Amino acid sequence: AQRVTQPEKLLSVFKGAPVELKCNYSYSGSPELFWYVQYSRQRLQLLLRHISRESIKGFTADLNKGETSFHLKKPFAQEEDSAMYYCALSSPWGKLIFGQGTELSVKP
Amino acid sequence: DAGVTQSPTHLIKTRGQQVTLRCSPISGHKSVSWYQQVLGQGPQFIFQYYEKEERGRGNFPDRFSARQFPNYSSELNVNALLLGDSALYLCASSPGTSGRGADTQYFGPGTRLTVL
Repeated sequence: AQRVTQPEKLLSVFKGAPVELKCNYSYSGSPELFWYVQYSRQRLQLLLRHISRESIKGFTADLNKGETSFHLKKPFAQEEDSAMYYCALSSPWGKLIFGQGTELSVKP
Repeated sequence: DAGVTQSPTHLIKTRGQQVTLRCSPISGHKSVSWYQQVLGQGPQFIFQYYEKEERGRGNFPDRFSARQFPNYSSELNVNALLLGDSALYLCASSPGTSGRGADTQYFGPGTRLTVL
């Protein structure tokens, strides 16, 4: 079965600390993986996707097929990073399967 | 471009009633998807339409139906509402070019449905 697991509902760090939001998936085939973010009172928006291999707002994510993981990382968290983060897997025709989300809280 | 728009913003219905939610995609986008987000959970896929044809359906009962119009806007209908249908309903659009699966999806602000 296709599934995305985000084991942490809440992650709280201090400003300047490193951040890692965990995401594990189960999928038979070559997955397309995404991280979406929802800031307070804003709509869900794409943060990054694995095929782009970009760094967006200082965040990176590496697909590890051996561990079936796609963890999101940032070396130095900022207060404006506080948001809800969702890891998602795409089927070949574009159906997104989301994890339950991790709320990141960055304290001053 | 205003992005994906959805109406209404909020809706309150009672059990057994029917509801219609509307979505306008980004100009030029031909694919629309619908998701249900229950409080505390990630969005769950309901439907995807591309060029007015249903491309995929999630694990939802037949009370849920949708359609896409020639201008690519879409409606989601839910009949015989249950308390458990209370959720945020999200619409997302994507270019859908060449049937390529993993286009970036752009989400609307959602419609908050409360069933009493």
